[in-house]
Amino acid sequence: KQEVTQIPAALSVPEGENLVLNCSFTDSAIYNLQWFRQDPGKGLTSLLLIQSSQREQTSGRLNASLDKSSGRSTLYIAASQPGDSATYLCAVSVPGANSKLTFGKGITLSVRP
Amino acid sequence: ETGVTQSPTHLIKTRGQQVTLRCSSQSGHNTVSWYQQALGQGPQFIFQYYREEENGRGNFPPRFSGLQFPNYSSELNVNALELDDSALYLCASSLVSGDEQYFGPGTRLTVT
Repeated sequence: KQEVTQIPAALSVPEGENLVLNCSFTDSAIYNLQWFRQDPGKGLTSLLLIQSSQREQTSGRLNASLDKSSGRSTLYIAASQPGDSATYLCAVSVPGANSKLTFGKGITLSVRP
Repeated sequence: ETGVTQSPTHLIKTRGQQVTLRCSSQSGHNTVSWYQQALGQGPQFIFQYYREEENGRGNFPPRFSGLQFPNYSSELNVNALELDDSALYLCASSLVSGDEQYFGPGTRLTVT
């Protein structure tokens, strides 16, 4: 059974800091990995999708890497801003009939002005 | 291009009642997945519909059921509501099963 872990559950950093959010998963036979952002009480916004054959993806100040063999992914946020404050979730899908997403519990990030 | 929409935004029901939640998928997407997110938890997969057929189900009881229509919109029905059904219900659509999933804003269900 695939399990996804995100530690720590919460993180507080000063504005401008570069930071790394970690995600680990137990089954390396994944199809893809997605990072999402969730604002309080809202839906999920897809940030980056990494296919199993890829090592990283970049979008603006965000960079996500994937190491399937070790079951890890990191989301790097450069020059953090107060507007980056949100919960960040990672989710993996496995090859199969429906490729459902299995989520971690998320990391709640607070960027202090 | 219209994104994923869900209705209603919020809903309050009494234990034992039935509820129907609705989702319109992103234009051109034929796969819809439903997730339940309890407070402080990650979303949990309920089921997926592909071209009007159920295409996989998570660990949820049969009182959670769904439909997908020819225009690929979808409904989630929950019978005999329990207090633990209180959660944010998220709908996601994708072009094909396994592709990147795009989420709607969710429906917040409160069962009293």
